[in-house]
Amino acid sequence: GAVVSQHPSRVICKSGTSVKIECRSLDFQATTMFWYRQFPKKSLMLMATSNEGSKATYEQGVEKDKFLINHASLTLSTLTVTSAHPEDSSFYICSARERRESGYTFGSGTRLTVV
Amino acid sequence: KQEVTQIPAALSVPEGENLVLNCSFTDSAIYNLQWFRQDPGKGLTSLLLIQSSQREQTSGRLNASLDKSSGRSTLYIAASQPGDSATYLCAVIGNTGFQKLVFGTGTRLLVSP
Repeated sequence: GAVVSQHPSRVICKSGTSVKIECRSLDFQATTMFWYRQFPKKSLMLMATSNEGSKATYEQGVEKDKFLINHASLTLSTLTVTSAHPEDSSFYICSARERRESGYTFGSGTRLTVV
Repeated sequence: KQEVTQIPAALSVPEGENLVLNCSFTDSAIYNLQWFRQDPGKGLTSLLLIQSSQREQTSGRLNASLDKSSGRSTLYIAASQPGDSATYLCAVIGNTGFQKLVFGTGTRLLVSP
């Protein structure tokens, strides 16, 4: 089955630094990947749609300069949290699907803590 | 704008019980619907995918039904086990554009031994 790998699973960084999170489709190509954010005991909030070879599409209220998305190949999308602050601490998770008829597969998520 | 609601928000049952989780959505123009489980601090595991033309899907002790016209889906778990304890999320996939997932609010299930 389709596998999505996300790395790192956990990261702690200092306030003001940037953190990059990778999302890879291991056994399929994904022209589109999605990035979500999840607050404790809440459901997933879509942040942006990552499109291979073009600019990401951000949801309303998501700062595109804060959350940089790059989808440079058909198997890799990255989310960079720039100038991180404690309020950026959260669980970030990506997803993709193999085919239009397929369901979505999710990465294992990244727990970001900004201190 | 699509809105997805899940009832109940939390459920606690003894081991062995059969249970039903409910999901409702406001816009019936969906491509398909997917049920997931999420363990604390983990990613999402896909349980069942129902295409919009289908009425139900089964996998082991799980059965999911879909009534698109009324905007409802149910997830039936037979003979529940402590290992079923998790948060269950339903998500509808839109018909247009990027076909984004819209998630429900989730049901936190606790199955006691």
